[in-house]
Amino acid sequence: EAGVVQSPRYKIIEKKQPVAFWCNPISGHNTLYWYLQNLGQGPELLIRYENEEAVDDSQLPKDRFSAERLKGVDSTLKIQPAELGDSAVYLCASSLSGYAEAFFGQGTRLTVV
Amino acid sequence: GDSVTQMEGPVTLSEEAFLTINCTYTATGYPSLFWYVQYPGEGLQLLLKATKADDKGSNKGFEATYRKETTSFHLEKGSVQVSDSAVYFCALLTPSNYQLIWGAGTKLIIKP
Repeated sequence: EAGVVQSPRYKIIEKKQPVAFWCNPISGHNTLYWYLQNLGQGPELLIRYENEEAVDDSQLPKDRFSAERLKGVDSTLKIQPAELGDSAVYLCASSLSGYAEAFFGQGTRLTVV
Repeated sequence: GDSVTQMEGPVTLSEEAFLTINCTYTATGYPSLFWYVQYPGEGLQLLLKATKADDKGSNKGFEATYRKETTSFHLEKGSVQVSDSAVYFCALLTPSNYQLIWGAGTKLIIKP
């Protein structure tokens, strides 16, 4: 069974530029998460989807971050414009339901210069 | 609110030593508990889980028992290897609003 797939693995952009990350969850998983992880720290939730609905986006900086999960499958996370402080690893995870274990992708390492 | 507390790292051990990484939690109701492992440059991998009191999760020689009376979920391994060097995260999933609450992570270094 294929795991959670994220792309790209690495991205380097200049500040003020836009960037997008893509996530394909495990087939059949209804719940999808986007996390941010800074070096040496634990993951911080940005947004959680149940199917197509964003059920928890309280930690998403909505002035510059946006996300979508069309058709309740793949998801895209966008930052526009990027700031130096956005440099981090962006992790996508999925689970069968909100009350099941989450499986993570490899992450996208973003460097803003 | 709900929270997870892990022992601070780094934890440095010699190969074949016994490992314990402490994890305690605060939660209302009956959360599910997890240990995840993160190898350098990789994403988080689910190591083991327990969904109710007295459950024991195990995988790859690692074990953890859900202790409701002490609100703990300590990770143990009888004989560690260099390849176990990684960061270990304890997490709980709240039954009330399905939030994953994370510990700060414990870096484990195993020396040959």
